[in-house]
Amino acid sequence: GENVEQHPSTLSVQEGDSAVIKCTYSDSASNYFPWYKQELGKGPQLIIDIRSNVGEKKDQRIAVTLNKTAKHFSLHITETQPEDSAVYFCAASPETALIFGKGTTLSVSS
Amino acid sequence: DAGVIQSPRHEVTEMGQEVTLRCKPISGHNSLFWYRQTMMRGLELLIYFNNNVPIDDSGMPEDRFSAKMPNASFSTLKIQPSEPRDSAVYFCASSAQGPRYGYTFGSGTRLTVV
Repeated sequence: GENVEQHPSTLSVQEGDSAVIKCTYSDSASNYFPWYKQELGKGPQLIIDIRSNVGEKKDQRIAVTLNKTAKHFSLHITETQPEDSAVYFCAASPETALIFGKGTTLSVSS
Repeated sequence: DAGVIQSPRHEVTEMGQEVTLRCKPISGHNSLFWYRQTMMRGLELLIYFNNNVPIDDSGMPEDRFSAKMPNASFSTLKIQPSEPRDSAVYFCASSAQGPRYGYTFGSGTRLTVV
């Protein structure tokens, strides 16, 4: 079945810096790659997604890139702010429901 | 839209007791998912339904776990008998267009089995 690896597990940056989180997947049948943000005590919330026919997608300060050949995709957050502090999850969708990475705890200090 | 509604928010029960978690998906969403979140294993898919029919239950740990979706607006996840290792946060999520589109998650049920 699908296996999603996510790195790093923790990431600390200064406000205004950029943050990059990387994921790899194993199942070439996966064609949908969302990213979720989870704040303390809440459920994960979709922040951006990309499909396998697209290489990059941007939404204001966040962007996602996908390399289908290498089976990896990344989340880029620019101009980080304290409110970006949360746990971020990548996911991949094989034939069945989403399989999630283990998460990255992002801390943005001011 | 009230989003995905889960109840209860917190549940503390004794080992051996039956536990029932409830979920109301977003109206019009045809796919429903149950996930379990722990520090060690992250977010694990337990089961997913499409149009009220279970499609993939390969993530259900064992026979102690069962899930039902009697209609489009309600689903339950039952654990009988419960064990301490079942302690986790259980999330329900729904999607409008199937498993390969954005999911909306509920706020979760934090289950503690003592």
